[in-house]
Amino acid sequence: DAGITQSPRHKVTETGTPVTLRCHQTENHRYMYWYRQDPGHGLRLIHYSYGVKDTDKGEVSDGYSVSRSKTEDFLLTLESATSSQTSVYFCAIRPGANTEAFFGQGTRLTVV
Amino acid sequence: EDQVTQSPEALRLQEGESSSLNCSYTVSGLRGLFWYRQDPGKGPEFLFTLYSAGEEKEKERLKATLTKKESFLHITAPKPEDSATYLCAVQAGGNNRLAFGKGNQVVVIP
Repeated sequence: DAGITQSPRHKVTETGTPVTLRCHQTENHRYMYWYRQDPGHGLRLIHYSYGVKDTDKGEVSDGYSVSRSKTEDFLLTLESATSSQTSVYFCAIRPGANTEAFFGQGTRLTVV
Repeated sequence: EDQVTQSPEALRLQEGESSSLNCSYTVSGLRGLFWYRQDPGKGPEFLFTLYSAGEEKEKERLKATLTKKESFLHITAPKPEDSATYLCAVQAGGNNRLAFGKGNQVVVIP
């Protein structure tokens, strides 16, 4: 398995609270991604990073922010969680721009 | 906007009954097409990368092919352990993103 660890694996939180999900890699890969997966929508890109402190928005970035202060860590923050952000969140890493991506095991987030 | 459409959405196969999954795409300057397998409750697992039309990749009972408009994932003589959702993703020129289709859910019945 690619060296990717997502934490926590499961979380239940209340509407309006801030939440941070962590993705940690041991591969020293340049590119890191956050996706969410919902029934009927497939995997949708939230944000991605192409280097330390270099990030860009994906197709569903509203309500989310990210930070990458070290190569190995990519944090996804929900500033004020809403029920529409209930989802399974996946982190992915890629060694290069045109290479395959490797995924973590996912974080199941429930906002009540 | 990059578009990836997978069909059929769901497929039930008898063990040994070969079939094909389709991934059609509309992107500006394809830089790579990727196939993944996803089991319930797990992250997608990488299967194949295809870069140019005419390219083929094979692994056990799976074979992926690519044309200028679509890719096929052929499953030959499937077994129950091939039951999974198969995801297709594309990368277009000019960005570092992967755009995913909604997947093909395959169930192989013993």
